[in-house]
Amino acid sequence: SQTIHQWPATLVQPVGSPLSLECTVEGTSNPNLYWYRQAAGRGLQLLFYSVGIGQISSEVPQNLSASRPQDRQFILSSKKLLLSDSGFYLCAWSVRGPDTQYFGPGTRLTVL
Amino acid sequence: GIQVEQSPPDLILQEGANSTLRCNFSDSVNNLQWFHQNPWGQLINLFYIPSGTKQNGRLSATTVATERYSLLYISSSQTTDSGVYFCAVESTGGFKTIFGAGTRLFVKA
Repeated sequence: SQTIHQWPATLVQPVGSPLSLECTVEGTSNPNLYWYRQAAGRGLQLLFYSVGIGQISSEVPQNLSASRPQDRQFILSSKKLLLSDSGFYLCAWSVRGPDTQYFGPGTRLTVL
Repeated sequence: GIQVEQSPPDLILQEGANSTLRCNFSDSVNNLQWFHQNPWGQLINLFYIPSGTKQNGRLSATTVATERYSLLYISSSQTTDSGVYFCAVESTGGFKTIFGAGTRLFVKA
């Protein structure tokens, strides 16, 4: 069966520090991968999606970036965090083509 | 881009009651999903339903794509149904998933 992992589960970082969040998927090949952010009490906003290694599409201009160094690994990064980067970051995967998305447990990021 | 509107924004039910949640979308979509987010933040997929009707236990969903809406029915609600219910659509251009703002449900014992 397929599983999706995210780490860390929680993170507190000072403004201006770098960020690296990792997401890995097990039990499937060539998945579509997604990064979302959820602000407190609000819906999810798609940040990045990837259809293959090295193929990243950005949906929202920001100081975040994403990379896919391996087929089932998706990384969210920032060189300098802003207060507005605080939120709940969720990674998701789906099979190719329109289909349901499966979400990881998320990372709660607080930028102070 | 596509607009997704969910109603009601908040809902309080007595345990055992039934409810209907609605999702309206402004353009044609490739797919539509319903999710439940539990109090710990985990998003659980309930239905993948670009059209038609599906049922899973006490939950069922109907999407009328030609009229651009979907309904989620919860029957005999339980306290464990509490949380936020999201509708999400994928544009026909592919890959971009748009989430509604959600319906926050609280079921009282």
